[in-house]
Amino acid sequence: SYELTQPLSVSVALGQTARITCGGNNIGSKNVHWYQQKPGQAPVLVIYRDSNRPSGIPERFSGSNSGNTATLTISRAQAGDEADYYCQVWDSSNVVFGGGTKLTVL
Amino acid sequence: QLQLQESGPGLVKPSETLSLTCTVSGGSISSSSYYWGWIRQPPGKGLEWIGSIYYSGSTYYNPSLKSRVTISVDTSKNQFSLKLSSVTAADTAVYYCARHWDDYGPRGWFDPWGQGTLVTVSS
Repeated sequence: SYELTQPLSVSVALGQTARITCGGNNIGSKNVHWYQQKPGQAPVLVIYRDSNRPSGIPERFSGSNSGNTATLTISRAQAGDEADYYCQVWDSSNVVFGGGTKLTVL
Repeated sequence: QLQLQESGPGLVKPSETLSLTCTVSGGSISSSSYYWGWIRQPPGKGLEWIGSIYYSGSTYYNPSLKSRVTISVDTSKNQFSLKLSSVTAADTAVYYCARHWDDYGPRGWFDPWGQGTLVTVSS
């Protein structure tokens, strides 16, 4: 079965750029979607189809996908960006989520 | 604005069947552009897809849960439902329903999500 690998945690200084990776075999050939989940809340879509932002998501959030790694980039990180982030793909008639990355804003 | 709301028992006994319903408001469940999905999250852990259904009744299930899962849709009530049989403590989780965007099939993303409901499996 297909696996997505995310770092358990990423730290970023306030105002700096955070990059959260999602690794998978030839993930560049798939559409990757990203979710933000704050404590006690449901996940919220922040990026779909690799690099598209839903309405209401700040331009500070961007995505890329190539080769074996997809990346969620959060520019000018704010305290409110502190959350868990999950990547998701579709593979062989199965929805696969990454294990999640906890973003800490210092 | 589309909203989803999960409902059902918060406590289920081991070996019994977990049953949840998701009510969709602000839009039609019969839209050809979407599937409708269930995702769960054990306490302190990550997200796990359970399965998704199209308004016509076509279903896709997580292979690891397929033998125990049934997802159905009631277009007259704008609802879809989840049944998970033979539950154990490992099925204790927050269960979410979400709109699953059709992207040449159920390849799409989940948006929006319901608020989630905690189901505990315990005697």
